[in-house]
Amino acid sequence: DIQMTQSPSSLSASVGDRVTITCRASQYISNNLNWYQQKPGKAPQLFIYSASNLQTGVPSRFSGSGSGTDFTLTISSLQPEDFASYYCHQSYTSPPTFGGGTKVGIK
Amino acid sequence: QVQLVQSGPEVKKPGASVKVSCKASGYTFSSYGISWVRQAPGQGLEWMGWISSYNGNTNYAQNFQGRVTMTTDTSTTTAYMELRSLRSDDTAVYYCAREVGAIARGWFDPWGQGTLVTVSS
Repeated sequence: DIQMTQSPSSLSASVGDRVTITCRASQYISNNLNWYQQKPGKAPQLFIYSASNLQTGVPSRFSGSGSGTDFTLTISSLQPEDFASYYCHQSYTSPPTFGGGTKVGIK
Repeated sequence: QVQLVQSGPEVKKPGASVKVSCKASGYTFSSYGISWVRQAPGQGLEWMGWISSYNGNTNYAQNFQGRVTMTTDTSTTTAYMELRSLRSDDTAVYYCAREVGAIARGWFDPWGQGTLVTVSS
């Protein structure tokens, strides 16, 4: 199975900060990397698919990049509603696997 | 709008079975597969398996082989996940999610609201 390693596992940031979350695959996955946001007690929600495509309705302050094994989710200016957990997910090969998650908290 | 609505919370004893339903609406059911993903309390996401809503083909994660069965009912546009021989470490929120994009290389959107399954004696 492909292992997905997210870092950091948690971070504290202030409103307006630029936040970067990284996800590394244990082997090549092309651009088959997706990002989800999850708020407490809620289901995950798709934010970015195929590494860099913003899902409809997701604010443009979110962006994704990367290919191969290294990927990044960036929030250009953190807003109060962005405090949540974020998970990466590889869909290159079965079984699909998830990163361990990054919890973005308030500083 | 595209929506997946799951059945309510369950409490089961060790060794029992649970069957969770996932009612789809707002799209052509047979055009997309459904994956099941679970999340233990305070933990990350674990993929359990996938079913084609077109022909019922399944692909189960190795961890659940022999213990899980996924089915669909196209007449009611509902997917089901049954997990048998429940253990305490099966306590988790179980999600269904529509798989979008290339078959077996897609992303999950949307997700059901989740069903909490508690296994306790």
